[in-house]
Amino acid sequence: DARVTQTPRHKVTEMGQEVTMRCQPILGHNTVFWYRQTMMQGLELLAYFRNRAPLDDSGMPKDRFSAEMPDATLATLKIQPSEPRDSAVYFCASGSGQPSTDTQYFGPGTRLTVL
Amino acid sequence: GDSVTQMEGPVTLSEEAFLTINCTYTATGYPSLFWYVQYPGEGLQLLLKATKADDKGSNKGFEATYRKETTSFHLEKGSVQVSDSAVYFCALRPNDYKLSFGAGTTVTVRA
Repeated sequence: DARVTQTPRHKVTEMGQEVTMRCQPILGHNTVFWYRQTMMQGLELLAYFRNRAPLDDSGMPKDRFSAEMPDATLATLKIQPSEPRDSAVYFCASGSGQPSTDTQYFGPGTRLTVL
Repeated sequence: GDSVTQMEGPVTLSEEAFLTINCTYTATGYPSLFWYVQYPGEGLQLLLKATKADDKGSNKGFEATYRKETTSFHLEKGSVQVSDSAVYFCALRPNDYKLSFGAGTTVTVRA
């Protein structure tokens, strides 16, 4: 049963620390999405990759957030320095075909708490 | 811009009750419409989808029909179970990759 995996599942850190979240997309999938879920804003798209290339990161605060795909099996989302307002659940999703038609498969999320 | 408005929760029902969650959308063009479900502690799972007007999506006893005239995509299930307790998200996707989600509706089914 192929699934998107994310690590860590939970992270508690102090303001100012660097946070790295990792995602392993489903093998063979060529699109990767990062979402953030908060009570106030709901689900927001942060970044979108296709064939490892970042095509859209307009939803991401550029000064502290960065997203990369070092290889086809790993996507990372970094926050440096972290702030309390970054506390949220971060989801990674992957897809296999044309992004306008395919299904996005979500990972279980990383729950981040910044104190 | 494109957006989705869905019924606010929480919704609490008894087992075997009928469930409806309203969803309306605003979009230019002809978006695809989706319902996702999020069980406690898990990510979102696609429940059903419809890609054009009058299409009906269905899965696990849930149904939703793409109504262009009323710009709606209401989710229904005739007889809910305790295992249907979850948060349900309506979403739309225009002709690109971006999914726009509603705020989510929490459903609790009591035995």
